[in-house]
Amino acid sequence: GAGVSQSPSNKVTEKGKDVELRCDPISGHTALYWYRQRLGQGLEFLIYFQGNSAPDKSGLPSDRFSAERTGESVSTLTIQRTQQEDSAVYLCASSFGRGRQGDTQYFGPGTRLTVL
Amino acid sequence: AQSVTQLGSHVSVSEGALVLLRCNYSSSVPPYLFWYVQYPNQGLQLLLKYTSAATLVKGINGFEAEFKKSETSFHLTKPSAHMSDAAEYFCAVSRSGGYNKLIFGAGTRLAVHP
Repeated sequence: GAGVSQSPSNKVTEKGKDVELRCDPISGHTALYWYRQRLGQGLEFLIYFQGNSAPDKSGLPSDRFSAERTGESVSTLTIQRTQQEDSAVYLCASSFGRGRQGDTQYFGPGTRLTVL
Repeated sequence: AQSVTQLGSHVSVSEGALVLLRCNYSSSVPPYLFWYVQYPNQGLQLLLKYTSAATLVKGINGFEAEFKKSETSFHLTKPSAHMSDAAEYFCAVSRSGGYNKLIFGAGTRLAVHP
C-alpha cells in the first residue's frame, strides 16, 4: 500500500511569508506526528494528533506554528511570517492505533523548507 | 526526562568491516528504543526496535542491536558493511507514559569505502 506522502517536497519562500505543508498518512493510521529536522541535527517533535485532536502541541516552537487534521486523515502544518530559522526539513509520521509506546512510526519523505 | 546520545557524528568503515554505531539513552523508566535509517533525500525507515522482549534485537538489512540496561546502551551493529549501508542513522527513545512521542539522537552518518 501507499506510504506516508508529503507535499511539496521542496518549498522556497521569502522571510515573512506564510507556508502550508501537507501530510497524507497511511490509510487507517489514527496517530499522526510532525517533526522538524534542522541541518545536521536530529529530529525535534512538534505535534501529535490522535484522530483529529491534538493532545500534545508542546513541541511547536512559537505561536507562528499551527497544525490541523481533518477527517482523521490529511494534516496541514502552517508557519506564519516565516523566519530564516524556520528553514529545515519537516517530517510527518503516522502509526496505527492510539499512538502507544512501541508502535512503529512510518515517516514520509519530508518537505524541505528554505526561508530566504 | 528522556534523552539520547549518539557518540560520533561521522563513522567511516571499509566495505566488509564491522559496523558499530553507538547509542546511549537516559530514561527513568524502562524505555522503548528504536533505530531508524535515512538514505539521502528519503524519509526515515525503521531498522529495528526494542520493546522489552529479547535484549538482542534483529532488524532489516543484517543489522542488530543489543539492549544493555546496566550500560544504558543500545548500540547498532552489522558484521560486514556494504556500500549500500551508507546513510544517516538515528537512535530514538519513546517518551515514557502515554503516547509514542519519539526523542531522537543527533544522528550518525555512516560512510562505507571500498
